[in-house]
Amino acid sequence: GAVVSQHPSWVICKSGTSVKIECRSLDFQATTMFWYRQFPKQSLMLMATSNEGSKATHEQGVEKDKFLINHASLTLSTLTVTSAHPEDSSFYICSARGPGRVRETQYFGPGTRLLVL
Amino acid sequence: AQSVSQHNHHVILSEAASLELGCNYSYGGTVNLFWYVQYPGQHLQLLLKYFSGDPLVKGIKGFEAEFIKSKFSFNLRKPSVQWSDTAEYFCAVNAGSYNTDKLIFGTGTRLQVFP
Repeated sequence: GAVVSQHPSWVICKSGTSVKIECRSLDFQATTMFWYRQFPKQSLMLMATSNEGSKATHEQGVEKDKFLINHASLTLSTLTVTSAHPEDSSFYICSARGPGRVRETQYFGPGTRLLVL
Repeated sequence: AQSVSQHNHHVILSEAASLELGCNYSYGGTVNLFWYVQYPGQHLQLLLKYFSGDPLVKGIKGFEAEFIKSKFSFNLRKPSVQWSDTAEYFCAVNAGSYNTDKLIFGTGTRLQVFP
């Protein structure tokens, strides 16, 4: 149980284009999803917290208009990197947390590797 | 602001050696503590977690961690490592408040185990 998937697993795009990444909880309802970014040989940095049916909360320094998040259903959150540039190349990971206690464990997706040329 | 530090960036061990990975956090209030593992090419998996109660927590695959509040530490241990334990290990903390459940990750420790 508690499986989270991401699609696509990798994407290469031209500078200036927008890229959408999907995060799905396959066997549970995720009231909250999180989006992280991981640079090579570095830790995961939280970008934003996404709650179903409400606006996402972006971390300080993360542009909300650049990294658009939509959590339209209890099993799907999307991250759209708008007008992507080479510096946006990174590994993007989502996690999902089920309903109930706030301290419920986060389950992580396999990540999406983005390369912007 | 909360922060998590993992002192060992890269650890190399032979099979059957004992392992201890350090994790310290900076936050004075109630904390929830986690260790995650990322095997090569795979996603993050939860090894163990501490919310309250017995400060010695046992996780999967023979791992355990001890929460020492006075030292703000949550070190990960395994008495005898295996080649299959080769992976990246991340310590993570959240503030434990009902208003937030954001995880703050350490920089990770890369463990290589040689047969």
